[in-house]
Amino acid sequence: DTEVTQTPKHLVMGMTNKKSLKCEQHMGHRAMYWYKQKAKKPPELMFVYSYEKLSINESVPSRFSPECPNSSLLNLHLHALQPEDSALYLCASSTPSRQQKGYDEQYFGPGTRLTVT
Amino acid sequence: SQQGEEDPQALSIQEGENATMNCSYKTSINNLQWYRQNSGRGLVHLILIRSNEREKHSGRLRVTLDTSKKSSSLLITASRAADTASYFCAPNTGGFKTIFGAGTRLFVKA
Repeated sequence: DTEVTQTPKHLVMGMTNKKSLKCEQHMGHRAMYWYKQKAKKPPELMFVYSYEKLSINESVPSRFSPECPNSSLLNLHLHALQPEDSALYLCASSTPSRQQKGYDEQYFGPGTRLTVT
Repeated sequence: SQQGEEDPQALSIQEGENATMNCSYKTSINNLQWYRQNSGRGLVHLILIRSNEREKHSGRLRVTLDTSKKSSSLLITASRAADTASYFCAPNTGGFKTIFGAGTRLFVKA
């Protein structure tokens, strides 16, 4: 199984809502990532979890709250978002490099298209 | 990790032609990866080339790496309309952080 799944595919939420995005992989990868991508722009890294611990937070506003309950699951909790947070949210996973330096390829999910009204 | 800079920003070719896109980076790397993204979808990993490799093939894809020039190129031979996508390179210097460059937008005309 070389698939990363993301749910939901589309999400529309108001600025006062609380919602969560879910990401799952069963490849045994121990690094998982959240990216945000605006239209016609490259993906921007938000968070990285390594062995279920938050490894990188790219100064993301606190209205985005990541969670890694286990090695297969990654959540992104959303609260009090702004319209400018509307974007495609991508999840990815990877395994440490066989050379023990860095990581090998990342596997991406199809993304959640988020619209904040 | 660091940002790769892709060139050209956009490329339009006829079906059957070859497409070449380039990537430059600034510091030493462990490996360099190429990804494809079809419009509005997730990225798909295409190929990984390690710092001690100079060339790698996968189907119609050929990637070269010149560590002395800190550059890589991706060649797609006999392009198809389905190759229309954005292509990103991702140099990896040893961490988990990936900074994608602006990418090359390839349009293959049928």
